Amino acid sequence: DGGITQSPKYLFRKEGQNVTLSCEQNLNHDAMYWYRQDPGQGLRLIYYSQIVNDFQKGDIAEGYSVSREKKESFPLTVTSAQKNPTAFYLCASSETTGESGGAFFGQGTRLTVV
Amino acid sequence: SQQGEEDPQALSIQEGENATMNCSYKTSINNLQWYRQNSGRGLVHLILIRSNEREKHSGRLRVTLDTSKKSSSLLITASRAADTASYFCATDTGRRALTFGSGTRLQVQP
Repeated sequence: DGGITQSPKYLFRKEGQNVTLSCEQNLNHDAMYWYRQDPGQGLRLIYYSQIVNDFQKGDIAEGYSVSREKKESFPLTVTSAQKNPTAFYLCASSETTGESGGAFFGQGTRLTVV
Repeated sequence: SQQGEEDPQALSIQEGENATMNCSYKTSINNLQWYRQNSGRGLVHLILIRSNEREKHSGRLRVTLDTSKKSSSLLITASRAADTASYFCATDTGRRALTFGSGTRLQVQP
């Protein structure tokens, strides 16, 4: 059963803590993405990766970090430098950038600062 | 940066009516895609239209693309209560990841 899995579904972070959001896909896709969605808003690009061991900053990368050590995995770390991290985080994958036939999305992680 | 902007921001219709959403964008694209998002869930890909296409159909969905006006429209015919969701356009420029608009919230009243 192919798909893209995000975990956890809900995450609570204390001020000053780093937290890591997991994203795993078994679709054999080369490209993976992280987006942030605030209430009633569209998606803003945080980071994307077109191939293993390579990734690029998106529009709002400050306060976030990623790694792409395996094709299947693209974890996102929300660092203490991110001043307003409360949001809905969406991970996606596609065959390649440029000629993608459409992206597949995970079910999201809702992060709340407590 | 928001490449695509949807219009209207919100739309409320009765079951059986048609729903039309519009999307405008700023730069040249390889293709434009429409996605659906149910509340609190991930996005689901609906349809993709390439820059050399003008119209595409998929079931009750009809998408048009006018590259001279940098705009697209999504028509959902014979709407159902289950169509209630937010709809986003996304542009693929071939240079980086998809860029999404701010979405249209569709409410279909039974």
